[in-house]
Amino acid sequence: EPEVTQTPSHQVTQMGQEVILRCVPISNHLYFYWYRQILGQKVEFLVSFYNNEISEKSEIFDDQFSVERPDGSNFTLKIRSTKLEDSAMYFCASSASRTRGSYNEQFFGPGTRLTVL
Amino acid sequence: AQSVAQPEDQVNVAEGNPLTVKCTYSVSGNPYLFWYVQYPNRGLQFLLKYITGDNLVKGSYGFEAEFNKSQTSFHLKKPSALVSDSALYFCAVRNAGNMLTFGGGTRLMVKP
Repeated sequence: EPEVTQTPSHQVTQMGQEVILRCVPISNHLYFYWYRQILGQKVEFLVSFYNNEISEKSEIFDDQFSVERPDGSNFTLKIRSTKLEDSAMYFCASSASRTRGSYNEQFFGPGTRLTVL
Repeated sequence: AQSVAQPEDQVNVAEGNPLTVKCTYSVSGNPYLFWYVQYPNRGLQFLLKYITGDNLVKGSYGFEAEFNKSQTSFHLKKPSALVSDSALYFCAVRNAGNMLTFGGGTRLMVKP
């Protein structure tokens, strides 16, 4: 069964450093997402991406965040200058195209645990 | 703004007994509701969804959920719990776009 994959599984970085989290969505999916879950808190939406542009973003997704689909398979989240409060589990997700009347579920990867020291 | 509430941090049930994990939601417009399960060190796995149609939705692993519009609820149920059902369960509502808003999660503990 196809699945979303994420690398690395755990990333440790120093405050102020840039990190790139990588995701390979399911191959025929067209919508891509990033969510995060701070330890002990809810899963929070960051951004959705379709047709090579951001389609929706939350207040969390400020100027220090960016997303990119650099090739036909990868989807990345970049944090330019990490802060302590960016420490969280980051989940990538993808979904198939949305046809009229059909809302397809999002398939999630296993997550990348980001630790900012 | 949409929101989801899962009033129980943890639900304990004996194996073989029925289980219910509660979820209530608040959204303007039609609700699109989802249940996901998270096992340790794993991502969120889709269980089932309600978009329209029958209020009782059947999903993976024998789970089902009942949509109740008047009570704005979407409780997850299973007639007979298994020890392997022990996990963290998340209810979510989707907006007109693609954003999922999750509840805080409920830990289900099924004891032998």
